[in-house]
Amino acid sequence: EPEVTQTPSHQVTQMGQEVILRCVPISNHLYFYWYRQILGQKVEFLVSFYNNEISEKSEIFDDQFSVERPDGSNFTLKIRSTKLEDSAMYFCATSLWNEQFFGPGTRLTVL
Amino acid sequence: AQTVTQSQPEMSVQEAETVTLSCTYDTSENNYYLFWYKQPPSRQMILVIRQEAYKQQNAMENRFSVNFQKAAKSFSLKISDSQLGDTAMYFCAFMIKGGSEKLVFGKGTKLTVNP
Repeated sequence: EPEVTQTPSHQVTQMGQEVILRCVPISNHLYFYWYRQILGQKVEFLVSFYNNEISEKSEIFDDQFSVERPDGSNFTLKIRSTKLEDSAMYFCATSLWNEQFFGPGTRLTVL
Repeated sequence: AQTVTQSQPEMSVQEAETVTLSCTYDTSENNYYLFWYKQPPSRQMILVIRQEAYKQQNAMENRFSVNFQKAAKSFSLKISDSQLGDTAMYFCAFMIKGGSEKLVFGKGTKLTVNP
């Protein structure tokens, strides 16, 4: 069964450093999403991406965040200068028709 | 703005018993989807069941069924014959049809199935 994959599974970084989180969507999916879950809290929408552009972004998704699909397969989330409060689980999700499939997540720890 | 409310932070049930998790939502939209996701300790998000708002018939997937009350904006999840592997966080989620189709999640209910 096809699945969404994410790398790395765990990333530890120093405050102020840049991180790139990677996602490989299911091959025929057209819609891509990033969500964030701070430990013990609910899952929050960050950004949606369709047809090589952002279709919607949340208030959390400020200028420190960016997304791209550089090679037609990987879907990346970049955080330019990480803050302590960026520590969270980051989930990629992809869909074809309304049903989103989630990757296993990347746990980001900012020290 | 759409909101999803799960009023039960934690619940427990005995193995083989039935449990119902509550969810209410608020929207002025008429065309939307509702979902229940399971998040076990591994933190993987797993789709349990989905409901399309225009369908009056309640969705069912094996031991999982929903009670969808559109007028009351209620979407509860019933788990029958609970198994130890059902122990997880359960998140109710809402999606407006069309547009970006982002998911809006509730805060979750932690379900523990006791042997």
